[in-house]
Amino acid sequence: KQEVTQIPAALSVPEGENLVLNCSFTDSAIYNLQWFRQDPGKGLTSLLLIQSSQREQTSGRLNASLDKSSGRSTLYIAASQPGDSATYLCAVISSGTYKYIFGTGTRLKVLA
Amino acid sequence: EAGVAQSPRYKIIEKRQSVAFWCNPISGHATLYWYQQILGQGPKLLIQFQNNGVVDDSQLPKDRFSAERLKGVDSTLKIQPAKLEDSAVYLCASSIWGDRSYEKLFFGSGTQLSVL
Repeated sequence: KQEVTQIPAALSVPEGENLVLNCSFTDSAIYNLQWFRQDPGKGLTSLLLIQSSQREQTSGRLNASLDKSSGRSTLYIAASQPGDSATYLCAVISSGTYKYIFGTGTRLKVLA
Repeated sequence: EAGVAQSPRYKIIEKRQSVAFWCNPISGHATLYWYQQILGQGPKLLIQFQNNGVVDDSQLPKDRFSAERLKGVDSTLKIQPAKLEDSAVYLCASSIWGDRSYEKLFFGSGTQLSVL
């Protein structure tokens, strides 16, 4: 059974700092991994999708990497801004299913 | 492109009452998902439809929850009777249904349910 873990659960950093969020999954047989952002009281917005055959994806100040063999993904945020404050969740689709399994998220606060 | 529409945004009910949530997915998206997100947790899949057929409802508490997707478009999720532990955000999402390697999920804003 696929399980997804995110560490840390919460993170507070000063503005301008580069930071890394971690996502681990127990079954390496996946189709893809997605990183989402969730603002308080809102739905989830897809940030990056990494296919199982890819190693990383970049969008602006965000870079996500995938190491399928070790069951890990990282989301790197460069030059953090207060507007980056939100909860970041990762999710995977396991091979043989069509179901996304989500982690519990990392709550990020960027201090001005 | 219009996003996933959900209503209502907020709902407060007393335990043992019933409640219904509505979702309209992105046009052309064959797959529709209902997730339950309890405060501090990640979303948990309740039910997944492809067109108007159920793909997965293994985590849907069928004694009190029901869902339908008529004509493969809009969907309604109902809880009857509600319990205190049903307090959560109910999220609807949709996707195209294609190659799973790049299947992207699009979410609505969710319905925040409080059961008193």
